[in-house]
Amino acid sequence: GQSLEQPSEVTAVEGAIVQINCTYQTSGFYGLSWYQQHDGGAPTFLSYNALDGLEETGRFSSFLSRSDSYGYLLLQELQMKDSASYFCAGLSGGYNKLIFGAGTRLAVHP
Amino acid sequence: EPEVTQTPSHQVTQMGQEVILRCVPISNHLYFYWYRQILGQKVEFLVSFYNNEISEKSEIFDDQFSVERPDGSNFTLKIRSTKLEDSAMYFCATQPGQTIPEQYFGPGTRLTVT
Repeated sequence: GQSLEQPSEVTAVEGAIVQINCTYQTSGFYGLSWYQQHDGGAPTFLSYNALDGLEETGRFSSFLSRSDSYGYLLLQELQMKDSASYFCAGLSGGYNKLIFGAGTRLAVHP
Repeated sequence: EPEVTQTPSHQVTQMGQEVILRCVPISNHLYFYWYRQILGQKVEFLVSFYNNEISEKSEIFDDQFSVERPDGSNFTLKIRSTKLEDSAMYFCATQPGQTIPEQYFGPGTRLTVT
């Protein structure tokens, strides 16, 4: 089957750096995406890794290791507005179907 | 900035009734999706739609579900006979093309089946 595992909760303080890990079990994923979702809101795209290595987009970076079936999202210079749920999602199938993990709830404190 | 819109924002229906959820995709996007999220749980893929036909569907997307793009703009999800367990937030998402796997999600329709 296809499944993605990520921690359920992470807590950090403003200005800090936090890493959210994602491990997956599947033979069919060809990329890993990250989405942010604030309470009551829609998922919004953050980052995508098709190849091994690090992708950087501003304060957010994402890493993928296909051989380890592992990726992470790195959030730097945390701000209060970063408090949200973060989902890793594997891309599968011929039409970019997203298979989501259960999400990691990030709480940023002053 | 273009965005995906969905109507209604909240739909309450009785078990066994039919509901139609509507989505207006971003105009130049080619790939369309429906996902659902039961309260407090992860987002689940329902169906993908490309070139006016279903390209892939999940096990959740059984005979009670259907999608269509009747007028080239709206993209609808129909549930023929709703069940209590269909209560969830339903998100429409669109993607510009296959090489750019960034999906744009609409604000969602909260469906409550009583």
